[in-house]
Amino acid sequence: DAGVIQSPRHEVTEMGQEVTLRCKPISGHDYLFWYRQTMMRGLELLIYFNNNVPIDDSGMPEDRFSAKMPNASFSTLKIQPSEPRDSAVYFCASSLPPNPDTEAFFGQGTRLTVV
Amino acid sequence: SQQGEEDPQALSIQEGENATMNCSYKTSINNLQWYRQNSGRGLVHLILIRSNEREKHSGRLRVTLDTSKKSSSLLITASRAADTASYFCAMITDNFNKFYFGSGTKLNVKP
Repeated sequence: DAGVIQSPRHEVTEMGQEVTLRCKPISGHDYLFWYRQTMMRGLELLIYFNNNVPIDDSGMPEDRFSAKMPNASFSTLKIQPSEPRDSAVYFCASSLPPNPDTEAFFGQGTRLTVV
Repeated sequence: SQQGEEDPQALSIQEGENATMNCSYKTSINNLQWYRQNSGRGLVHLILIRSNEREKHSGRLRVTLDTSKKSSSLLITASRAADTASYFCAMITDNFNKFYFGSGTKLNVKP
């Protein structure tokens, strides 16, 4: 398996534009997580899915953020409208069903810059 | 961070020295994991310690866990320049379904 695949790797957009980040989890992983990483706040869990269903979106900062998982192999994180403070690196991670040895596998991240 | 703090925030050592990073957390956990992040890359899993374990080794890595103090430490022995990266602890919650990360320690190993 190629691992968790995120696209694009870099995104530069103007304030007010819609941004869509994409993620393909590892095949067979039932859990998918979206994280945001900034210098100020570190790694924040935004939302996670189990079997394509959003389980906990309490980390989503505002209504401008939305995430979907239409099938087991694809998820999107959308920001509409984008703002400069959304600039960060966004990571997608996936994992197998929970057990005492579950680990998360991360994608390479999408570096978002909103100007 | 949401659930944990690490110290020091930054650590600079010479190649061959040992590096120790500490993690304190707030929530009840089932296991604690350490991840490494090279600059501009995603996180990579290093080692996992279960809540009923006190110490674990993997190559040059040694992890300890004290659940009474809600703390863990990661020791890298005989460090190499290639160990330069940021290191994060991750707390796995009771249902094994959330990974919360500490604030990270930025390690610089000088050749």
